[in-house]
Amino acid sequence: AQSVTQLDSQVPVFEEAPVELRCNYSSSVSVYLFWYVQYPNQGLQLLLKYLSGSTLVKGINGFEAEFNKSQTSFHLRKPSVHISDTAEYFCAVSDPSWGKLQFGAGTQVVVTP
Amino acid sequence: GAVVSQHPSWVICKSGTSVKIECRSLDFQATTMFWYRQFPKQSLMLMATSNEGSKATYEQGVEKDKFLINHASLTLSTLTVTSAHPEDSSFYICSAKRDRGEETQYFGPGTRLLVL
Repeated sequence: AQSVTQLDSQVPVFEEAPVELRCNYSSSVSVYLFWYVQYPNQGLQLLLKYLSGSTLVKGINGFEAEFNKSQTSFHLRKPSVHISDTAEYFCAVSDPSWGKLQFGAGTQVVVTP
Repeated sequence: GAVVSQHPSWVICKSGTSVKIECRSLDFQATTMFWYRQFPKQSLMLMATSNEGSKATYEQGVEKDKFLINHASLTLSTLTVTSAHPEDSSFYICSAKRDRGEETQYFGPGTRLLVL
């Protein structure tokens, strides 16, 4: 079984400032890792994913994440946020053999001018 | 590509009625679809996994007679909330995979259900 912990429930950030959203996971097997974004009253949009290979993953909208196996982390970063980045961000893990996604509790990012 | 739609986007119904929610993959064939529910300010909880042409696999604690799932074709899965009650009010989201070996799930926009 896997679990995902998002350490911050809410992250306030000023426009054009950097942001980091933390995600830690636990699993007894190799996993795939994902970050999704959810805008109000909408479904989830895939930001990026780590399957294998390079531990630094670049996604859409200027986001990137780094997989750290020793720390079992997959933190999401953006060097300069926009007002439009205000949303809920979910980290998720899946076991390749099962294909099910286990989501973290989510982190609400609020970008202010 | 990989667009998933849901219909309706929101629905209000009286307690005791049944509600059907459709999930469609618009530009690909989905061998596997998933149904989630999300309560306000909470994360997504997987309800069931649906494979085309076979019975859905429900997660522990999800009543299969309450939440009927049908995956009749490679582009359509339906979730029927039978005899809905106010506690069933939630945001229901579906997702789809293009094939069983694919690792990415593509999500629909969600359906807001309010049971009065």
